[in-house]
Order: sequence, then structure tokens, then C-alpha cells
Amino acid sequence: NAGVTQTPKFQVLKTGQSMTLQCAQDMNHEYMSWYRQDPGMGLRLIHYSVGAGITDQGEVPNGYNVSRSTTEDFPLRLLSAAPSQTSVYFCASSYYSTNTEAFFGQGTRLTVV
Amino acid sequence: SQQGEEDPQALSIQEGENATMNCSYKTSINNLQWYRQNSGRGLVHLILIRSNEREKHSGRLRVTLDTSKKSSSLLITASRAADTASYFCATDGEAAGNKLTFGGGTRVLVKP
Repeated sequence: NAGVTQTPKFQVLKTGQSMTLQCAQDMNHEYMSWYRQDPGMGLRLIHYSVGAGITDQGEVPNGYNVSRSTTEDFPLRLLSAAPSQTSVYFCASSYYSTNTEAFFGQGTRLTVV
Repeated sequence: SQQGEEDPQALSIQEGENATMNCSYKTSINNLQWYRQNSGRGLVHLILIRSNEREKHSGRLRVTLDTSKKSSSLLITASRAADTASYFCATDGEAAGNKLTFGGGTRVLVKP
């Protein structure tokens, strides 16, 4: 059982470049989310989805887009990378948005130069 | 903004000792969860305690919840070197749109 799979594990981008962080889960979870983790800040919610075709903004959505065309996949797109987006990104999934444990991917460490 | 705040930010103990960390939050919650993160890895769920529960155990872990004080504690008994990690509390409640909100974490170092 693979759980939540994120790719790539590491990425270096130049300012202004765009890229997509991939996230896939094989647990048939309806709820998926993206967080960023910065030193001393804990995890902050970027975007989330309660099911295929439904997405919404979290706490820090600016500069990021998401889509959910299937239950399994929830990619995160950086439209025009900025140094402030240097962070570790985590994808998570769970059966519901509340009252249930979340399963996390291994993270993508992104550096924007 | 973060709902939960862990205390202390860092903790260093000897193997075999107990480790206690606390989490305080601001608004009413549905439940509170604790997660562990080993260096360079994703978060792993440890335990979930609902708002109507006061204490929960899982192996060497003991979690308490005091909704009147808006606080929770995580106790790891008889710590091992493998318990070295960061520990995060996470809450969800109506104020946060029923979405999981994480604190800044407690870094625990267990020395052999």
C-alpha cells in the first residue's frame, strides 16, 4: 500500500519559473490538502479539496493553483516561482476533512533562487 | 494563523526518561490530534482525542485534553532514542472551517 506519494522529492527553480508538484493517494480518500512547512511556522494550509472537481483556498493560497480531476490525484502548481515560496511542501489525504487522521506524503523540498 | 501552540519549543532528555509537551489552542474544537515528524520525513499520525474525551492512551503515549483550559498534553513514557523527532498538535473546529490546523511543534531529542 503506497499511501500518499509526492514527486519530486527535491526541486530547484529560478525565480519566475513554473512547475507542478504531484500528489497521488491510493486509499480512495475524498479529502486532500497541501501544506507548506517553514522553520518555526508549523504547517500552513495552502489549498484543499473535498472531492473530485471541488477545491478551495486555505490560509496561504497566493501564488498557487490546484485542480482535482480524479479522486487519486491533487497536483499543486506554482505559477511564477518566487524566493518566498522556498519551503517544504506536504500533501495529505484523509477520509473526511474532520474527525479523522491524515496521511502525509514524504514532502517536496523546493528552493527558489 | 496557527490554532495550536506547543510548549516547549525544544526538549532534551535522557533515554528512559519521560517527555511531556503541551499544546494550547484558541477556539473550540471538534478534536485534537498529535503527529510525529522524523527529520526530513512526512508527518505520522499518533493519536486523536475528541472534544468529549479527557484522556487517551496508545502504547507509551498518553494524551490528555482539558477543553476548559483549551489545552492538551502529550506524554511519552520511557523514551527511546527512536522517539527523537518533532511533535505537532493539530486541531479542527468550526472557527477554522473544520480544517486541520497545526501548531509550530516541539523538537524532542532523546540522548542515549
